[in-house]
Amino acid sequence: EPEVTQTPSHQVTQMGQEVILRCVPISNHLYFYWYRQILGQKVEFLVSFYNNEISEKSEIFDDQFSVERPDGSNFTLKIRSTKLEDSAMYFCASSPQGQVSREQYFGPGTRLTVT
Amino acid sequence: AQKITQTQPGMFVQEKEAVTLDCTYDTSDQSYGLFWYKQPSSGEMIFLIYQGSYDEQNATEGRYSLNFQKARKSANLVISASQLGDSAMYFCAMREVQTGANNLFFGTGTRLTVIP
Repeated sequence: EPEVTQTPSHQVTQMGQEVILRCVPISNHLYFYWYRQILGQKVEFLVSFYNNEISEKSEIFDDQFSVERPDGSNFTLKIRSTKLEDSAMYFCASSPQGQVSREQYFGPGTRLTVT
Repeated sequence: AQKITQTQPGMFVQEKEAVTLDCTYDTSDQSYGLFWYKQPSSGEMIFLIYQGSYDEQNATEGRYSLNFQKARKSANLVISASQLGDSAMYFCAMREVQTGANNLFFGTGTRLTVIP
């Protein structure tokens, strides 16, 4: 069964460093998402991506964040200068269409630890 | 205002018993979808069940059913015949249509512990 994959599973970085989190969505999906979950808290939406551009973003997704689909398979989240409060689990998700009834398939997550 | 409210931080259930996890939502959209996801200790998010705002029947998927009460804006998850492997965090989520948003709004979750 096709699945969303994410690498790395755990990333440790120093404050102020840039990190790139990678995702490979399910191949025939059209919509891509990043969410984050601070330890012990709820999952929060960051950004959605469709047709090679951002379709929506939350207030969390400020200028420090960017997303890219550099080729036909990868979908990346870049944090330009990490802060301690960026420590969280980051989930990538994809869905075949934007219809409300279509579930979003989540990857296993990347745990980002900023020291 | 929170779009999704889960008022039970933790729940316990005896193995083989049924359990209901509460979820209420807030939206002015007429068209929306409600989802439940399971997050085991390993961290991944597993889709369980979906209910559309226009669906007249409550959704069911195996041992999972969704008790949808539109007038009360509630979408409770019922797990029948609980198993030890059901111990996990459970998140209720909503997706709205009229706002044009595709993203999911999540609740704070309920940690379910199944007791042998």
